[in-house]
Amino acid sequence: QVQLVESGGGVVQPGRSLRLSCAASGFTFGDYGMHWVRQAPGKGLEWVTEISFNGNNKYYVDSVKGRFTISRDSSKNTLYLQMNSLRIEDTAMYYCVKGGYGLPTFDYWGQGTLVTVSS
Amino acid sequence: EIVMTQSPATLSVSPGDRATLSCRASQSISSNLAWYQQKYGQAPRLLIYGASTRATGIPARFSGSGSGTEFTLTISSLQSEDFAVYYCQQYNDWPPLTFGGGSKVEIK
Repeated sequence: QVQLVESGGGVVQPGRSLRLSCAASGFTFGDYGMHWVRQAPGKGLEWVTEISFNGNNKYYVDSVKGRFTISRDSSKNTLYLQMNSLRIEDTAMYYCVKGGYGLPTFDYWGQGTLVTVSS
Repeated sequence: EIVMTQSPATLSVSPGDRATLSCRASQSISSNLAWYQQKYGQAPRLLIYGASTRATGIPARFSGSGSGTEFTLTISSLQSEDFAVYYCQQYNDWPPLTFGGGSKVEIK
């Protein structure tokens, strides 16, 4: 079955960096686009970024453009999110999400990793 | 950016009753809409895509309808495990992919 296991979250000061990882299993990783979706405490869902199945295309929500970078390593079945210049408003649970087959839907979700940006 | 608006914010329903949730898009999104369920302390789960197609393993009591700008998620007979927050998401015009603010279904 599909498994997505995030890691790398934690408490970080504003302006610092953090890298999240997501280990994927149970499906052919290289066949699917992958996303990061976040949820601030007590708030709704916000799509953050997507990387296409082959890594050639990447898309970002405006609020993270130029600060966050998504990448994937198909040899390791792992998705990454490099987060630089973190802001207090980036505090959220970050979910790694498998995309649909040919559709930008969110088919399977990891359990999330919590990022807290605080001084 | 397409704005998704969900109503009501909270719906109080008795077990066994029907629940109807609405989602409106700020412009036409054809049938490019998905619904998700999020239980407390858990990750969301895909319920519906293409406005009306149930995802794998989703019970038949969940149904979706609509196209254009108006969409509905109906739970025909609420079970205890259905009390949760429900989100709609459009994928017609992106980036960004956008969600509605969520509708909470609580026990009456």
